[in-house]
Amino acid sequence: AQTVTQSQPEMSVQEAETVTLSCTYDTSESDYYLFWYKQPPSRQMILVIRQEAYKQQNATENRFSVNFQKAAKSFSLKISDSQLGDAAMYFCAYRVGDSNYQLIWGAGTKLIIKP
Amino acid sequence: DAGVIQSPRHEVTEMGQEVTLRCKPISGHDYLFWYRQTMMQGLELLVYFNNKAVMDDSGMPKDRFSAKMPNASFSTLKIQPSEPRDSAVYFCASSFYRLNTEAFFGQGTRLTVV
Repeated sequence: AQTVTQSQPEMSVQEAETVTLSCTYDTSESDYYLFWYKQPPSRQMILVIRQEAYKQQNATENRFSVNFQKAAKSFSLKISDSQLGDAAMYFCAYRVGDSNYQLIWGAGTKLIIKP
Repeated sequence: DAGVIQSPRHEVTEMGQEVTLRCKPISGHDYLFWYRQTMMQGLELLVYFNNKAVMDDSGMPKDRFSAKMPNASFSTLKIQPSEPRDSAVYFCASSFYRLNTEAFFGQGTRLTVV
């Protein structure tokens, strides 16, 4: 079965500190893409970062970076210099390279930023 | 492009009434997804279309839910009759038929069935 597990229902971090959100997945496919989405209180789903499974190098977007461990099927998100605007639900997802290109989603992690 | 457009943003209805949610995907996108988000169940895929054809509707309660995509720029999700347990936020999303592309989401419709 294709699944995504986000083991931390909720995380909190002090403003300006660094936090890491975990995500593990299970797929037998060799070709896939991984995504992190952010859902702030406005409920708009926003793409934060993406990673191609064939790339060894970890993706980075400003203060957001990933730690992609393909063998361990792990795809964690690191947020550096946390800001109040980072408070949101964060969803991990992947898209498999089969004929249907489905998106498989995790349950989400709620991130709280303490001022 | 204006992005994925959903209407209405909010809907309050009485149990037993018919509810229709609407979605306009991003022009040129091949895929259209309908998701339901609740506190308990997270983000559930109800149904998705590829070039207007249903690819998978196994997540949709078929006794009361129906989804249609009559053309490439419009889709509806209908609930008849509605029940209080249908109260949730319903998202529509669209994407290209490619592995390396993300799904773009609409603002969602918050449905409350009383």
